[in-house]
Amino acid sequence: GENVEQHPSTLSVQEGDSAVIKCTYSDSASNYFPWYKQELGKRPQLIIDIRSNVGEKKDQRIAVTLNKTAKHFSLHITETQPEDSAVYFCAAMVSGYALNFGKGTSLLVTP
Amino acid sequence: DGGITQSPKYLFRKEGQNVTLSCEQNLNHDAMYWYRQDPGQGLRLIYYSQIVNDFQKGDIAEGYSVSREKKESFPLTVTSAQKNPTAFYLCASCSGQGEAFFGQGTRLTVV
Repeated sequence: GENVEQHPSTLSVQEGDSAVIKCTYSDSASNYFPWYKQELGKRPQLIIDIRSNVGEKKDQRIAVTLNKTAKHFSLHITETQPEDSAVYFCAAMVSGYALNFGKGTSLLVTP
Repeated sequence: DGGITQSPKYLFRKEGQNVTLSCEQNLNHDAMYWYRQDPGQGLRLIYYSQIVNDFQKGDIAEGYSVSREKKESFPLTVTSAQKNPTAFYLCASCSGQGEAFFGQGTRLTVV
């Protein structure tokens, strides 16, 4: 089945700096790559996603890039704020199957 | 909120007991999933269902069972065969586009 690796497991940045989280996947048939943010004690919520026919997608301070050849995708957060502190999960999915998640990155943004 | 409801929020199980976690959605989604979340382990797939009366094992199905008799409902039973059931359980339903919506989770503790 699909195997998703996520790095780093923890990330600490100063407010205003950028944060980058990277994921790799194993199944070349995967065609949907979402990113979820989970605040402490809450449910994961989708923050951005990308499909295999697109190389990059941006939404305000958040962007995701996808390299299908290398089978990796990344989340970029610019101008980080303390409220960005949370656990971030990447995932990959083959159509018709389930989402497979990475192990998560705990992001801490210090003022 | 979110159209997908899990109950109860907290559940305590005695050793040797079976317990059932409820998951209901009113989003008219065909696909539903159960994930288990442990610290540092990310979200691991237990079972998923793409359509009523059909479901598939995920990566860690041993000791769990599910049913999908109605589109809206996907209950998970944690059986006595699951030796380490203490965890946070998340149910999700998935739109046709792949986006997963999560319930608020059930925290199960063995006492």
